[in-house]
Amino acid sequence: DAGVTQSPTHLIKTRGQQVTLRCSPKSGHDTVSWYQQALGQGPQFIFQYYEEEERQRGNFPDRFSGHQYPNYSSELNVNALLLGDSALYLCASSLPGGTGREKLFFGSGTQLSVL
Amino acid sequence: QQQVKQSPQSLIVQKGGISIINCAYENTAFDYFPWYQQFPGKGPALLIAIRPDVSEKKEGRFTISFNKSAKQFSLHIMDSQPGDSATYFCAASTEETSGSRLTFGEGTQLTVNP
Repeated sequence: DAGVTQSPTHLIKTRGQQVTLRCSPKSGHDTVSWYQQALGQGPQFIFQYYEEEERQRGNFPDRFSGHQYPNYSSELNVNALLLGDSALYLCASSLPGGTGREKLFFGSGTQLSVL
Repeated sequence: QQQVKQSPQSLIVQKGGISIINCAYENTAFDYFPWYQQFPGKGPALLIAIRPDVSEKKEGRFTISFNKSAKQFSLHIMDSQPGDSATYFCAASTEETSGSRLTFGEGTQLTVNP
């Protein structure tokens, strides 16, 4: 079992550009949540996807959007990048039947640097 | 009201000692309190979790103590080992039928000296 896999591992972009981050959940998991972790801080919830729909969203602007595919994989898109978007972006998956908060499995994240 | 306050920011313990990390919350609707461990370059990994209907939960060397009236909970690591050196995050969550989120503390960087 490969666990939660994220790609790419590192990414460098410039201000104003757009970025897409990808996540494959752990086998058997159907719920995917995305978190942003700034350097030296705890993860902050961005949004959660279940059955291909966003069902919960944190306090992030509309520049942050996502998608979930029928195979449960997910994408995080960020438009009009700002310097403050530089962070580790974490994907977490969880088992069916829950609300996406218990026994979360996190990927190793994508480190995004905005120059 | 959604914040979780964690202390200390950093902690140095000798091998074999007890590491104690504390968290406090304001939102009385929180009903699930997990602790996560994160190593450099890795995502957080679930260590142990507790619900407010019990005051203590132990798994191996890790124990959560929960004080509902004080709205505080803590992680105790017994017989701390150098391999325990990592960043620890407390978190809290409310049960929501439309999907739940975790609210994390700021983290505690633990160093266990050999």
